[in-house]
Amino acid sequence: DTGVSQDPRHKITKRGQNVTFRCDPISEHNRLYWYRQTLGQGPEFLTYFQNEAQLEKSRLLSDRFSAERPKGSFSTLEIQRTEQGDSAMYLCARSGGLNEQFFGPGTRLTVL
Amino acid sequence: QKEVEQNSGPLSVPEGAIASLNCTYSDRGSQSFFWYRQYSGKSPELIMSIYSNGDKEDGRFTAQLNKASQYVSLLIRDSQPSDSATYLCAVEAGGTSYGKLTFGQGTILTVHP
Repeated sequence: DTGVSQDPRHKITKRGQNVTFRCDPISEHNRLYWYRQTLGQGPEFLTYFQNEAQLEKSRLLSDRFSAERPKGSFSTLEIQRTEQGDSAMYLCARSGGLNEQFFGPGTRLTVL
Repeated sequence: QKEVEQNSGPLSVPEGAIASLNCTYSDRGSQSFFWYRQYSGKSPELIMSIYSNGDKEDGRFTAQLNKASQYVSLLIRDSQPSDSATYLCAVEAGGTSYGKLTFGQGTILTVHP
């Protein structure tokens, strides 16, 4: 158990719909990260939060993507007007000691 | 040029052998290096962290780091079929991107009985 839960675990949606994913670290960790992983590739960084502040966003995070971390606890990642290219595993990670990152189980998104 | 590059796979070794996984990176400011194991359909699991030049051993796993050569490796001794997975090398970005991990594309390891 890495101390990170994600919901939902799987999401199937139609192109053009909005989707929202949630990440809950078991306790309030300083840093929280979002990554995206497509088949056959390593995870790609999307964004990270230090407490409630979003400190960095990847160029991959287009205007259709938004992430929040209210109160510095759980985080949400929303994708508006989904496209087939958004199909991927969305991973959330919490910080650990010595800059380690521990991933949750991920949310697999399929856009039809 | 990829920022983190892993040796192309897939890698197949017999049970009991040593599996050697390699990774090179381009960011000379990187200070933290990680190996993750990922089973099919699952999320990455952290198995090794290394921060200084040399070797770090944990059970059957040994990570090796050479910052001058920008090279990090993972050795798995006495490989078991349960070690069959994709192994991901991750490098923490130096400078202002502190905290962000850049991953290699992964190396698929198969350990056959």
